[in-house]
Amino acid sequence: DAMVIQNPRYQVTQFGKPVTLSCSQTLNHNVMYWYQQKSSQAPKLLFHYYDKDFNNEADTPDNFQSRRPNTSFCFLDIRSPGLGDAAMYLCATSREGPPDTQYFGPGTRLTVL
Amino acid sequence: AQKITQTQPGMFVQEKEAVTLDCTYDTSDPSYGLFWYKQPSSGEMIFLIYQGSYDQQNATEGRYSLNFQKARKSANLVISASQLGDSAMYFCAMSSGYSTLTFGKGTMLLVSP
Repeated sequence: DAMVIQNPRYQVTQFGKPVTLSCSQTLNHNVMYWYQQKSSQAPKLLFHYYDKDFNNEADTPDNFQSRRPNTSFCFLDIRSPGLGDAAMYLCATSREGPPDTQYFGPGTRLTVL
Repeated sequence: AQKITQTQPGMFVQEKEAVTLDCTYDTSDPSYGLFWYKQPSSGEMIFLIYQGSYDQQNATEGRYSLNFQKARKSANLVISASQLGDSAMYFCAMSSGYSTLTFGKGTMLLVSP
């Protein structure tokens, strides 16, 4: 089945220790998104790639970076995680840009000690 | 700017009954899409149903239907014959113009036996 895969499902890191979250997709979609979702809140878009074009949300901290080496993979790098970065990180894809439907992966739950 | 409002923080329903989750939206763009997602406690965002602004008929997907009232700017989700597995957080979202998804705050649905 075509799908969006996120690894790992759970990630524990230490304060200030860089961490990378991974997302892959077999849908062959052009657009990939990263969202941050804190407890009891709606997802918040961090950035997205339309093919190789990177689009950063204005309020995304510089501490968050992303890479998309090919169509299938997209990575979220958190350079120096703080306690406030503990959250669920959701990856999503869509075939084209808005208003195409976004399909989400299972998420990575990040804990910062 | 686009805005989604979900006024019901929580809803309770008995198994096999129907339930309506409210969603109102605001946008100045004549072309937009409305979405409903389900998020169980596991964290994955599951796409349920889509309604385009120019669609003449209400969208349906199995037990899910979207009651689209354009003049009132509402896009309520109706779940027929509720099941225990329907217990989850439900998010209404929209995308208009070139804007990516904006989510509402969500409604927690609890289905009791």
